[in-house]
Amino acid sequence: DTEVTQTPKHLVMGMTNKKSLKCEQHMGHRAMYWYKQKAKKPPELMFVYSYEKLSINESVPSRFSPECPNSSLLNLHLHALQPEDSALYLCASSPNSDGSFYGYTFGSGTRLTVV
Amino acid sequence: GIQVEQSPPDLILQEGANSTLRCNFSDSVNNLQWFHQNPWGQLINLFYIPSGTKQNGRLSATTVATERYSLLYISSSQTTDSGVYFCAVLYSGNTPLVFGKGTRLSVIA
Repeated sequence: DTEVTQTPKHLVMGMTNKKSLKCEQHMGHRAMYWYKQKAKKPPELMFVYSYEKLSINESVPSRFSPECPNSSLLNLHLHALQPEDSALYLCASSPNSDGSFYGYTFGSGTRLTVV
Repeated sequence: GIQVEQSPPDLILQEGANSTLRCNFSDSVNNLQWFHQNPWGQLINLFYIPSGTKQNGRLSATTVATERYSLLYISSSQTTDSGVYFCAVLYSGNTPLVFGKGTRLSVIA
C-alpha cells in the first residue's frame, strides 16, 4: 500500500458545525502533515506530527484541532470555522520528519466549503 | 528566509512541444520534489531528486545542488500534462517541505 487516503473528499459545513477530516496511511511512515491550499496558491503547512507527537504548529487558529491517535491515522477536527477557511486540505506522510529517501506522499485532499 | 522560486509562472504549449520548468532555491537542501497537481487537486509526486538526474517516460529532472537549481523537462507534451507543477524543498534542520508558487501549464490540442 503506497497511498495516503483522505476522507471525505468533499465537505460542506456551517459555521456552527463540528466536523472532522481523516487521513490514513499504511506505509509505516512516522511523520504526518496537514497542509492547507487556497485557490491558485501553493500548499501551506499547518501541522506536523512526528512519531505521533505534535512537533510543529504553524500558528494555526484553535478552531483547527489536530489529533494523531496512532502511527497510521491523522485527524483534523474543525469547529466554528469561517467562510475564509474554505480550501483544499491536504494530508501527507513521510518515512521520518526529515523527508529523506522517498520524500512526502500526499493524499488526494478534502475540499472544504464553509457556508 | 526560505525561498523557492519557480519560472515561468504560466506556460501555454501546443500539443507535442517540449518545455523546461525551473526551480531556484536559496540554501542547501535535504530533499527536493517535483509535483504535478491535476485539476481535481491531487498532488502527484513526479520526482524525488535532491541531486542528479532522473527520467520517467516523457519527463526528466535534473538538480544541480551546488548551483541551487532544479529543472523539469517535459517532452512531447500532451493535454493530460496540463495542471500546476510545484517544486518543493526541504532544507536541513528538519524544516518541513516548502513549496514554490508553481508553474501553471496549459497544453492545447
